[in-house]
Amino acid sequence: DQQVKQNSPSLSVQEGRISILNCDYTNSMFDYFLWYKKYPAEGPTFLISISSIKDKNEDGRFTVFLNKSAKHLSLHIVPSQPGDSAVYFCAASEGNQFYFGTGTSLTVIP
Amino acid sequence: EPEVTQTPSHQVTQMGQEVILRCVPISNHLYFYWYRQILGQKVEFLVSFYNNEISEKSEIFDDQFSVERPDGSNFTLKIRSTKLEDSAMYFCLSSDYYNRNSGNTIYFGEGSWLTVV
Repeated sequence: DQQVKQNSPSLSVQEGRISILNCDYTNSMFDYFLWYKKYPAEGPTFLISISSIKDKNEDGRFTVFLNKSAKHLSLHIVPSQPGDSAVYFCAASEGNQFYFGTGTSLTVIP
Repeated sequence: EPEVTQTPSHQVTQMGQEVILRCVPISNHLYFYWYRQILGQKVEFLVSFYNNEISEKSEIFDDQFSVERPDGSNFTLKIRSTKLEDSAMYFCLSSDYYNRNSGNTIYFGEGSWLTVV
């Protein structure tokens, strides 16, 4: 049973516009959430995280929003750049166990 | 930036052969994991390791799989008799669980592609 879901397998956005990647989860005990970016044939790299005590965390062009009542997490990238084209995974943790979404492939069109 | 290193980056093996995937996690981390991703499918949890023993494992992690940290640095995943369906990218993760509120807590290795033929 998938505890972390990314329902959009792909997303295309024009360069300079906002990219919004979504993630839903089912376990209300998750208390820490992370976003990772993955290029082909490479391991995922960390982007940004958020604790369940917050509803927003910002780092440069990347902002993560957490809506605990909706059990929904989103990543905003503004402005989007061609180098942002990659697969984005969200992850949620309860204790030291992590659960990953299936990923959303973002394509930023120049 | 700390790194988790994995070897080999790619291995092709015949069905039924034993495979050992190696990982060097980050030295001051305490939690280590193996995950895998079959091409086109979701990332799947295999096993977590803490204090030199398995803390959790998934249904995938059956008797054909084992992990150990033989020398305090390397963290290995052994598949005793590989099956075709074991073909996947295997990721080693290293976690700084107790500093989780300071930002990133999970560091991924580059992955080891295993192809079973």
